[in-house]
Amino acid sequence: NAGVTQTPKFQVLKTGQSMTLQCAQDMNHNSMYWYRQDPGMGLRLIYYSASEGTTDKGEVPNGYNVSRLNKREFSLRLESAAPSQTSVYFCASSRSGLLAEQFFGPGTRLTVL
Amino acid sequence: QKEVEQDPGPLSVPEGAIVSLNCTYSNSAFQYFMWYRQYSRKGPELLMYTYSSGNKEDGRFTAQVDKSSKYISLFIRDSQPSDSATYLCAMSAKDSGYALNFGKGTSLLVTP
Repeated sequence: NAGVTQTPKFQVLKTGQSMTLQCAQDMNHNSMYWYRQDPGMGLRLIYYSASEGTTDKGEVPNGYNVSRLNKREFSLRLESAAPSQTSVYFCASSRSGLLAEQFFGPGTRLTVL
Repeated sequence: QKEVEQDPGPLSVPEGAIVSLNCTYSNSAFQYFMWYRQYSRKGPELLMYTYSSGNKEDGRFTAQVDKSSKYISLFIRDSQPSDSATYLCAMSAKDSGYALNFGKGTSLLVTP
């Protein structure tokens, strides 16, 4: 069991470039989440998907889009990257809903120049 | 002001010490309280999960919730160098869809 996997591990972008962060889980979980972690700010929820076919905004959704491709995969897209999006991005999954224990991936370190 | 406040530390203690980590919060609707541990360059992992007030113990770890004071604590007994990590508190409420509100994390170093 790999748990939650994220690709890529590191990425450097120029302002205005686009990219997609990939996340997959092999625990048959229904719910998946995207967070960003910034120094002095803690973890903040960007988007989540309570179940396959649904997505909802979190605390900081501006500048991002998500796709729940199937039960296993949940991607995060930056259409036009900005330096303010420099952060560490974590994907997480849970059996069902926000109350259930969330299992986190190893993170993607993104720098936008 | 963030809804969840947590002293970032760093906190340095000798091996074997009792460690106390704390968070305060402002939203009285929070009902579910969690502690996550995050090692350097890794994702957070759930340590303790508590509903409403009271204590919960799991091995060397004890979580306490005092809703009247809006204050939660994590105690680590007989601390080990392997406990060196950042500890994040998180809490949620039904009226916000149970979305997790995280503290900024406290960095702990246990020295041999």
